Amino acid sequence: QKEVEQDPGPLSVPEGAIVSLNCTYSNSAFQYFMWYRQYSRKGPELLMYTYSSGNKEDGRFTAQVDKSSKYISLFIRDSQPSDSATYLCAMSGRGGANSKLTFGKGITLSVRP
Amino acid sequence: GAVVSQHPSWVICKSGTSVKIECRSLDFQATTMFWYRQFPKQSLMLMATSNEGSKATYEQGVEKDKFLINHASLTLSTLTVTSAHPEDSSFYICSASGIVYEQYFGPGTRLTVT
Repeated sequence: QKEVEQDPGPLSVPEGAIVSLNCTYSNSAFQYFMWYRQYSRKGPELLMYTYSSGNKEDGRFTAQVDKSSKYISLFIRDSQPSDSATYLCAMSGRGGANSKLTFGKGITLSVRP
Repeated sequence: GAVVSQHPSWVICKSGTSVKIECRSLDFQATTMFWYRQFPKQSLMLMATSNEGSKATYEQGVEKDKFLINHASLTLSTLTVTSAHPEDSSFYICSASGIVYEQYFGPGTRLTVT
């Protein structure tokens, strides 16, 4: 079993839809959870960063963490064509910029105008 | 936000030759840099972690004699792929971290070995 599993894609939605992206993990030591967005042939950029269980909202993006179920989600409201990208979840056992990240495989999202 | 650059962005080399990829933090000092490899439709796999002025720490299964990492300064780390083979063709991405919690990723280098 891989440490981090991410829903397979690709995912295509119409503009304005609510998008739900999910990851599960097996390592209970993970405490820090991140979502990255990666455009084609570019490096990932950090979207959301959360610690432990709970919700975090930033504009149209909401990240949820349920440590009891080892399940994290990213919701995108009012999706836009510019949201079309690959989304990767990432996790680490400790905080700080020097911590090693374990990534999910990523899911490619396409938002149709 | 902080900017990390990589050079070159795309390189093609012949089998058996060596290729050097540079990763630079442009506006902050990076105490730690990470090197990842990403195959098509796959996730980022951490290859090694390097701290300025010390030897890199390689992940299990990564050949340290093949993938030479040098973190000579707080703004520059290099990855040299020695005696490259077609199976080394991949997208190599670095990330850099300073004193805050975030890792900043470079734009990646696409290596094609013919």
